[in-house]
Amino acid sequence: SAVISQKPSRDICQRGTSLTIQCQVDSQVTMMFWYRQQPGQSLTLIATANQGSEATYESGFVIDKFPISRPNLTFSTLTVSNMSPEDSSIYLCSVAPGVGDTEAFFGQGTRLTVV
Amino acid sequence: AQSVAQPEDQVNVAEGNPLTVKCTYSVSGNPYLFWYVQYPNRGLQFLLKYITGDNLVKGSYGFEAEFNKSQTSFHLKKPSALVSDSALYFCAVRDVRAGNNRKLIWGLGTSLAVNP
Repeated sequence: SAVISQKPSRDICQRGTSLTIQCQVDSQVTMMFWYRQQPGQSLTLIATANQGSEATYESGFVIDKFPISRPNLTFSTLTVSNMSPEDSSIYLCSVAPGVGDTEAFFGQGTRLTVV
Repeated sequence: AQSVAQPEDQVNVAEGNPLTVKCTYSVSGNPYLFWYVQYPNRGLQFLLKYITGDNLVKGSYGFEAEFNKSQTSFHLKKPSALVSDSALYFCAVRDVRAGNNRKLIWGLGTSLAVNP
């Protein structure tokens, strides 16, 4: 298993500013995933972050808007840049340690409100 | 295109009654299947998974799920529902042909309401 600490748990931000979300894992993992979730709705994958390489972004998400860092095997950050009210959402960090049949583990999420 | 369907947005059941939350998928090969639960204002918690073997898998909190390859379904079940089971349930599938990318395909979620 893996325990994930995600910070901040929530924030209210002004439009045009940026917020960096941190994800710390209690064990070394190769892949970390960042999701966006509207309350009560499904998850949308933003990007996959591997240590030592550029993050892989899903369709509709770009590095300029959502830059990701992955400095080591236990830590990653997601920045939401130049925020607008449309960025208001829950952002989730996830890892899938071990071999391919291992389940994914999730942080508690960051509830972001942009005003 | 690969997809996961949860045909019911909401399921209502009386406490003590059996519950079923449905999931079907359209993913080629022999994908890995997962169920997660999300309580209000919380992250997602893993419930159970099917990788191979017995079609009936047991998981956390008394939940179980039945894999049906011919119907490409993986329905979540519990013999006797509790009010505390009220939450949002997600079915997810991993296409193992896609190498080691570990990406999951998610259903839209089913809101389960257990009434006292």
